[in-house]
Amino acid sequence: DAMVIQNPRYQVTQFGKPVTLSCSQTLNHNVMYWYQQKSSQAPKLLFHYYDKDFNNEADTPDNFQSRRPNTSFCFLDIRSPGLGDAAMYLCATSWGPAVNTEAFFGQGTRLTVV
Amino acid sequence: QKEVEQDPGPLSVPEGAIVSLNCTYSNSAFQYFMWYRQYSRKGPELLMYTYSSGNKEDGRFTAQVDKSSKYISLFIRDSQPSDSATYLCAMSGGGGSTLGRLYFGRGTQLTVWP
Repeated sequence: DAMVIQNPRYQVTQFGKPVTLSCSQTLNHNVMYWYQQKSSQAPKLLFHYYDKDFNNEADTPDNFQSRRPNTSFCFLDIRSPGLGDAAMYLCATSWGPAVNTEAFFGQGTRLTVV
Repeated sequence: QKEVEQDPGPLSVPEGAIVSLNCTYSNSAFQYFMWYRQYSRKGPELLMYTYSSGNKEDGRFTAQVDKSSKYISLFIRDSQPSDSATYLCAMSGGGGSTLGRLYFGRGTQLTVWP
């Protein structure tokens, strides 16, 4: 059974048109992460939530925002997508703050910007 | 210098071969070392997890960590076509890193041909 579910699997959006990607989890994990993975590159952490506390990576562009309305759901909003934002977006969860907790990933959303 | 270096390959081997995948890293504070397997257009899934230096074996897979050399390896014995995927090393822990944050290599693409 899927534990971290991302929707949609594939998203095509127009240049500059806001887009929202969603992630839900059935694990009741406290921490949720959003990673951006471009072709043949390492996943790059954009931000994470520990419960309701939002933590932005220093180099995450302002164009990217996130919302976590409850424990189960987390959204990634891209306000004005550019061609350079085309990538796989991965949502992950982990139980707690300890650095040794396992992260569970969703299947990813592949974003195409046209 | 990137925190985690990984040769992207591609690596192509015949079925039954022993595969060796490696990563080096620069942050001596890393304590937890992981290998993720990522099939095409899917999210990463945790394959092996090791704490500090040493070896860990799970079936056909062996993970090794040498903290003195800042070098980690994943060995796959009796490789199968179903092992064809991208293998990402990841690490976390210590040095003020974001809680649970994973530092990824860029992944090595492996193809096992029958």
